[in-house]
Amino acid sequence: QSAPTQPASVSGSPGQSITISCTGTNSDIGNYNSVSWYQQHPGKAPKVIIYGVYYRPSGVSDRFSGSKSGNTASLTISGLQADDEADYYCTSYTVVNTYVFGSGTRVTVL
Amino acid sequence: QVQLVQSGAEVKRPGASVKVSCKTSGFNFNNYHFHWVRQAPGQGLEWVGLINPTNGETSYAQRFHGRVTLTRDTSTTTVDMELSGLTSDDTALYYCVREPSGTFYLGFWGQGTLVTVSS
Repeated sequence: QSAPTQPASVSGSPGQSITISCTGTNSDIGNYNSVSWYQQHPGKAPKVIIYGVYYRPSGVSDRFSGSKSGNTASLTISGLQADDEADYYCTSYTVVNTYVFGSGTRVTVL
Repeated sequence: QVQLVQSGAEVKRPGASVKVSCKTSGFNFNNYHFHWVRQAPGQGLEWVGLINPTNGETSYAQRFHGRVTLTRDTSTTTVDMELSGLTSDDTALYYCVREPSGTFYLGFWGQGTLVTVSS
């Protein structure tokens, strides 16, 4: 099972919106509404910010939103803030009852 | 409160095995699945496997098949991960993670256990 592909890095200025893509296959992202997104600051454990493609856990800012089209899921961060600078990972359930993480994206706030 | 407390750091020789424990508390153990996720130094997240504590059913990432075993003890609400045939590529921080059963939502992460493989 190959890792879904994410851009290695995305950057934006404070207040801007950015979108991170996560491209998998019809054996994972394309087959289930199971995509979750995780934010990881340096030296910290990952934190879920989106699950089930679209849903935000309680306490997560509504500046984070998720979507999916075919085999590609996307995470959009609007009103970019300094604290959004982190690594972001997508994950999906797969047809062989496993999970797979995306390759990860480093977000830089300029 | 919800807790996933993992065992301490380990240093192992190549070829050895390691067992990492995750002691849970503060919630109904049987209402969740437990995953193991690892992160090598400076690298991304990698899913290792999961266990359903209700029936002990497991699923493992293909690349770990035959080397990893996940177990659970319902009396102590603990889940364990044992990884054998260690190589330097297994040097990583290993996380125990809780998922409300069937939600695909890795919502609560343990503090991580560093496993170092070195001769």
